[in-house]
Amino acid sequence: EAGVAQSPRYKIIEKRQSVAFWCNPISGHATLYWYQQILGQGPKLLIQFQNNGVVDDSQLPKDRFSAERLKGVDSTLKIQPAKLEDSAVYLCASSLADLSTEAFFGQGTRLTVV
Amino acid sequence: GNSVTQMEGPVTLSEEAFLTINCTYTATGYPSLFWYVQYPGEGLQLLLKATKADDKGSNKGFEATYRKETTSFHLEKGSVQVSDSAVYFCALSDFTSGNTPLVFGKGTRLSVIA
Repeated sequence: EAGVAQSPRYKIIEKRQSVAFWCNPISGHATLYWYQQILGQGPKLLIQFQNNGVVDDSQLPKDRFSAERLKGVDSTLKIQPAKLEDSAVYLCASSLADLSTEAFFGQGTRLTVV
Repeated sequence: GNSVTQMEGPVTLSEEAFLTINCTYTATGYPSLFWYVQYPGEGLQLLLKATKADDKGSNKGFEATYRKETTSFHLEKGSVQVSDSAVYFCALSDFTSGNTPLVFGKGTRLSVIA
């Protein structure tokens, strides 16, 4: 079974530039999450989708971050404009829609803002 | 709100030593508890989980018991190997409130030396 695919693996941009990350979840997984993992900290949820609808985006900095999952499959997370403090690993995860189910994580995209 | 506190690292052990990584949690509902592991250059992987009080999760020689009375889920292994070197994350999800996302601790880096 293919895992969660993310691209790119690494990205370096200058502050105030824009960047986009892509995620393809495991086939059949209705729930998709984006997490931000700053160095030395645990992952923090940015946004949760159920199919193509947003379940929770309360911790997404909406002035600069946006995410979509238009067809309920793959998803894109965008940052515009980027700040130095956005340097982190951005993790995508997916799970089946039922309760008490395991979340599977991609390898992440490491973003460095200079 | 829900939160997880785990012991600070890094932890350095000799091969075959006993490992304990402490984890305590705060939750408004009745959460499921997880340990995830992140090996160098790889994504987060589920190591073990427990869904109710007194459950013991186990995998690859690691164990953790869900202790409701002490709100703890400490990770243990009787004899660590060099290949166990990784970052370990304790996490919870309160499925009693719906398909809620994982809340992670800050992670504990384990280094095992031969």
